[in-house]
Amino acid sequence: KQEVTQIPAALSVPEGENLVLNCSFTDSAIYNLQWFRQDPGKGLTSLLLIQSSQREQTSGRLNASLDKSSGRSTLYIAASQPGDSATYLCAVRPSGGSNYKLTFGKGTLLTVNP
Amino acid sequence: GAVVSQHPSWVICKSGTSVKIECRSLDFQATTMFWYRQFPKQSLMLMATSNEGSKATYEQGVEKDKFLINHASLTLSTLTVTSAHPEDSSFYICSATGTRTYGYTFGSGTRLTVV
Repeated sequence: KQEVTQIPAALSVPEGENLVLNCSFTDSAIYNLQWFRQDPGKGLTSLLLIQSSQREQTSGRLNASLDKSSGRSTLYIAASQPGDSATYLCAVRPSGGSNYKLTFGKGTLLTVNP
Repeated sequence: GAVVSQHPSWVICKSGTSVKIECRSLDFQATTMFWYRQFPKQSLMLMATSNEGSKATYEQGVEKDKFLINHASLTLSTLTVTSAHPEDSSFYICSATGTRTYGYTFGSGTRLTVV
């Protein structure tokens, strides 16, 4: 059974700092990995999607890496801003068959202080 | 990009009544839709998976007669909470994926309060 762990559970940083969020998964047989952000009382917004054959994806100040063999992904946020404050979730989709169910981590609550 | 619209964003209903939540994919065909429930400060709990034109597959412990899911078209899935009780109060989120999208797109969620 796939398990996804996110470390740290919470992180508070001053504005402008670069930071790294970690995600690890136990079963390397994944189709892709996706990073989301969730604002309080809102749905999930997709940030980056990394296919299993890819090593990293970039969007603006965000960079996500994937090391499938070691079961790890990181989300790097450069020059953090107060608007980045949210819960960040990573989720993996299994490979093979028609199983499209995602397995989520419990998230990292990020607070960026002005 | 792919967009999923979820309505209503919040609803208050009386105990014993039924509530329907809609999830629409606006710019892609959603072959598979998912319904999640989220408790405060917790991650998402998958309730069921639905494929267009087929019966939904419910996760263990989820009452299919209480949470009715219909996925009648490639752009619309509905979740009906029947005979709602206060313990059904929660945040419900849908997501969708299609043949031309590799990732999952989520709706904005529905806050259900049963009084």
